[in-house]
Amino acid sequence: KNQVEQSPQSLIILEGKNCTLQCNYTVSPFSNLRWYKQDTGRGPVSLTIMTFSENTKSNGRYTATLDADTKQSSLHITASQLSDSASYICVVSDRGSTLGRLYFGRGTQLTVWP
Amino acid sequence: EADIYQTPRYLVIGTGKKITLECSQTMGHDKMYWYQQDPGMELHLIHYSYGVNSTEKGDLSSESTVSRIRTEHFPLTLESARPSHTSQYLCASSETGKTAPENHRELFFGEGSRLTVL
Repeated sequence: KNQVEQSPQSLIILEGKNCTLQCNYTVSPFSNLRWYKQDTGRGPVSLTIMTFSENTKSNGRYTATLDADTKQSSLHITASQLSDSASYICVVSDRGSTLGRLYFGRGTQLTVWP
Repeated sequence: EADIYQTPRYLVIGTGKKITLECSQTMGHDKMYWYQQDPGMELHLIHYSYGVNSTEKGDLSSESTVSRIRTEHFPLTLESARPSHTSQYLCASSETGKTAPENHRELFFGEGSRLTVL
């Protein structure tokens, strides 16, 4: 069964600190992996999308890594800000699926304290 | 910023009422989707459309229905709401074009409609 597991479920860090969120997946055949940021009560917003051949991609203070061999991805947030408080969702697409049929993780709820 | 809009943002209604959640996008996207999301849980696809007069059910069974009469509009309707329908409903659309494989294209979400059925 294709699955996406994220850890930790929740995380609290102090403003200015770095953190790393994890995503493990069993989706096969793999096509791409996306990270989304979802503020409370809002819709998800895309941070990165990575294909099989990419192992690192950055978007400002967000850096995603992908190891397609071990089926793991991480999202590293540098110098966290209060506005980084949100749920971060890992989404994996398999090669045979249409765009709408994506496999979603449950998200990591990040709280940044001043 | 994505040009996809959902109304209402919040709705509290009684059991048995008919409701329609509106979703509109101004990006000219052919493909549109409805997802359901409960707190702390993953998004589940309930409906999708690949163009005008095209609608399909998603992976999660839903008592809701959708229509796609115009490219930019993809409303979701519940004929008789029940407390089990209480959830967050997210509309999304994806870009159209040949510059990337279909399942690599960006997915843009609306702000969501939070439905509470008493």
